[in-house]
Amino acid sequence: DVKVTQSSRYLVKRTGEKVFLECVQDMDHENMFWYRQDPGLGLRLIYFSYDVKMKEKGDIPEGYSVSREKKERFSLILESASTNQTSMYLCASSFQPGQQTATNEKLFFGSGTQLSVL
Amino acid sequence: AQSVSQHNHHVILSEAASLELGCNYSYGGTVNLFWYVQYPGQHLQLLLKYFSGDPLVKGIKGFEAEFIKSKFSFNLRKPSVQWSDTAEYFCAVTSYSGAGSYQLTFGKGTKLSVIP
Repeated sequence: DVKVTQSSRYLVKRTGEKVFLECVQDMDHENMFWYRQDPGLGLRLIYFSYDVKMKEKGDIPEGYSVSREKKERFSLILESASTNQTSMYLCASSFQPGQQTATNEKLFFGSGTQLSVL
Repeated sequence: AQSVSQHNHHVILSEAASLELGCNYSYGGTVNLFWYVQYPGQHLQLLLKYFSGDPLVKGIKGFEAEFIKSKFSFNLRKPSVQWSDTAEYFCAVTSYSGAGSYQLTFGKGTKLSVIP
């Protein structure tokens, strides 16, 4: 079974702190994603990466950056945390499309990190 | 940009009632469509997906969804819900960006509460 592991289940930080959220997947997936989930807003894509050292902005990249130095690890960075970044953060991974297998477009999600910024 | 609309924020049903959750998307090209489910305290799981072929797709736990291209819709249905179906349901659509990569765009979710 594919495993997507997020390093922390709950995190509490202060305004202005630098925050690192780590995500590791064990299935050699090319694509990795960071979403945030907020009540009434659903999932919104922050950043995604389709290869090592490659990244693309999602719908709400402001205030965030990412790092993909190794294929299995995708880090989300909050340079200076703010209270409006309090949210549930979800990491996901998948194979690259075009491999002629429909199941490749399935996203595998981690359990999420509930971040509270005080 | 791609957008996905889910019509209902919260649906409350009694057990054995029939369910239909609406989903519409905006992209006019070829799409792949998904329904994900998130049970309380658990992470997102794939319920069903449509890539091509028969527009009526069957998923796990008795769920099905129908792709109607002319209406840009992919509604989720279940003939008879159970208390264990209480969860939040997300519709999602694939869009392709440059360099051969893709992303899923999610709807805002519909919370389903099933009353025993």
